[in-house]
Amino acid sequence: DAGVIQSPRHEVTEMGQEVTLRCKPISGHDYLFWYRQTMMRGLELLIYFNNNVPIDDSGMPEDRFSAKMPNASFSTLKIQPSEPRDSAVYFCASSATSLEQFFGPGTRLTVL
Amino acid sequence: DAKTTQPTSMDCAEGRAANLPCNHSTISGNEYVYWYRQIHSQGPQYIIHGLKNNETNEMASLIITEDRKSSTLILPHATLRDTAVYYCIVRVAIGGANSKLTFGKGITLSVRP
Repeated sequence: DAGVIQSPRHEVTEMGQEVTLRCKPISGHDYLFWYRQTMMRGLELLIYFNNNVPIDDSGMPEDRFSAKMPNASFSTLKIQPSEPRDSAVYFCASSATSLEQFFGPGTRLTVL
Repeated sequence: DAKTTQPTSMDCAEGRAANLPCNHSTISGNEYVYWYRQIHSQGPQYIIHGLKNNETNEMASLIITEDRKSSTLILPHATLRDTAVYYCIVRVAIGGANSKLTFGKGITLSVRP
């Protein structure tokens, strides 16, 4: 199994641009999580899905952030418009039972 | 979820056992203790979890006190590759609204040659 796949691995963009991060969970997993990690705030849960349905989006910072899961094998996290304070590493994770979560390698986002 | 308290950092010599403590004095009866670690520049990795009995797997052992107010993660023979931030997390195991993990600051383990 390839594990959780995230793309791109690195993204550099300018303030105001739209950014789309992508995640492919492990096949058969019915939970998908989006986290953000910064030095100041540590690792924070943004949103998670169960069977493609958003369950808890209370961690989404503001309306500029949106996440979708159109099918069991794909999810996106979109930031529009992006701001410098959005610079962070964004992790996607999936799990089969909500017990053990498997994390992807992350996307390092830099907003200039 | 109950709050956990961990030391900021610790170190140990390569080949020796690393004992990482965690306090969770407000843990509820249906909450599990989970341990994850994050090696530099990688995503967090699940290590082990337990409810009240001690647990062991190929990576580590988890010792939970009888009153469940604290636990210790044991890496029996630490290697340089075990240098990482280790997170102790307490949460209910059942899914739905309890599926999320809340990461604290963790403890930074440095394994020295």
